[in-house]
Amino acid sequence: EAGVTQFPSHSVIEKGQTVTLRCDPISGHDNLYWYRRVMGKEIKFLLHFVKESKQDESGMPNNRFLAERTGGTYSTLKVQPAELEDSGVYFCASSPREAHNEQFFGPGTRLTVL
Amino acid sequence: AQSVAQPEDQVNVAEGNPLTVKCTYSVSGNPYLFWYVQYPNRGLQFLLKYITGDNLVKGSYGFEAEFNKSQTSFHLKKPSALVSDSALYFCAVSAPGAGSYQLTFGKGTKLSVIP
Repeated sequence: EAGVTQFPSHSVIEKGQTVTLRCDPISGHDNLYWYRRVMGKEIKFLLHFVKESKQDESGMPNNRFLAERTGGTYSTLKVQPAELEDSGVYFCASSPREAHNEQFFGPGTRLTVL
Repeated sequence: AQSVAQPEDQVNVAEGNPLTVKCTYSVSGNPYLFWYVQYPNRGLQFLLKYITGDNLVKGSYGFEAEFNKSQTSFHLKKPSALVSDSALYFCAVSAPGAGSYQLTFGKGTKLSVIP
């Protein structure tokens, strides 16, 4: 069974540019999550999709971040325009529907904003 | 609001000795507790979880953790450490009963097993 995949693995952009991160969850997983870890700090929740619907987006830092999950399969996270403080590692995770299931994490996308 | 504390930034242990990585939590309602491990340049890998039932849970690679409700702790343990256990360990909590599936993580503990 393929795991959670994320693309790209690394991205280096300049302040003010736009970047789009992609996550492909494990097939059949209704729940999809985005997390972020900025340098030296905790991994922080960004948002949670159930299929194509946003269940919880309480962790999104501001309106420069836009997440979508069209069709309930893969998801994208767009940052526009990027700021220096957006640098970090962005993790995607997926899990089956039931709440007691563990989340399976992708390898992350390391974003550097210069 | 839910929170997790991992009081040690780093734990050093000799190979073959028992290891403990500490975790305490705060959450409304019954917690779901998880341990994840991250090896260099890799994503988070699930080790074990506590949902309900037996307070001692066993997971991958010989790890186990004990849920202690009165102390709000969920310490990770292994009877005999291996050099290959050296990695970054994260404790996490969720509270689905409060309507939240999101994981709240501790800051991580770097485990170094010395040959």
